Amino acid sequence: DAGITQSPRHKVTETGTPVTLRCHQTENHRYMYWYRQDPGHGLRLIHYSYGVKDTDKGEVSDGYSVSRSKTEDFLLTLESATSSQTSVYFCAIRDISEGNTIYFGEGSWLTVV
Amino acid sequence: AQSVTQLDSQVPVFEEAPVELRCNYSSSVSVYLFWYVQYPNQGLQLLLKYLSGSTLVKGINGFEAEFNKSQTSFHLRKPSVHISDTAEYFCAVSARGGSARQLTFGSGTQLTVLP
Repeated sequence: DAGITQSPRHKVTETGTPVTLRCHQTENHRYMYWYRQDPGHGLRLIHYSYGVKDTDKGEVSDGYSVSRSKTEDFLLTLESATSSQTSVYFCAIRDISEGNTIYFGEGSWLTVV
Repeated sequence: AQSVTQLDSQVPVFEEAPVELRCNYSSSVSVYLFWYVQYPNQGLQLLLKYLSGSTLVKGINGFEAEFNKSQTSFHLRKPSVHISDTAEYFCAVSARGGSARQLTFGSGTQLTVLP
């Protein structure tokens, strides 16, 4: 257990509304990630953070923004949700003391209708 | 950059039979290698990892994997599977000393254990 908590765990929202997913970690890890998982695509990196206020884009960042104002929290925002953003979202941390092992949260199931 | 290929998208196997899930990778630098398991409607759980040392690594639930550098493979094996092993399995690679974004996943293998 890497002390990762995601909220909300399940959400249904309407097209065009903003949505924020929260990832909270308790072990002071520097690197945090947001992935999305879709059938046939595996896990794809949306955004990542390498420190407070330090973030960068992943391979599927369009339509998403992130913020990290504290070490323990990494927020993913969908500014105007679309049906193509219906997915399962996973937050993860990298433990650099364990060979860069990635540990995942339990996931947030988002449905955009 | 790295890439990961999981050669089988679906693997059905009878209970108590052995299983091998295949994973090949490509990378221009040395790598760390991982296998994750995902049960239905759950997150990804680390099954095992290769960081250095012995090329045969043992993980949880009786799984093991062997790192083969010459064949750039990291196949996952279990000598006798149980119904409870039914899940999706992901192979992943991370560059040693790479940037924060350098973790790449395969597309997954669905293991279904049949009674």
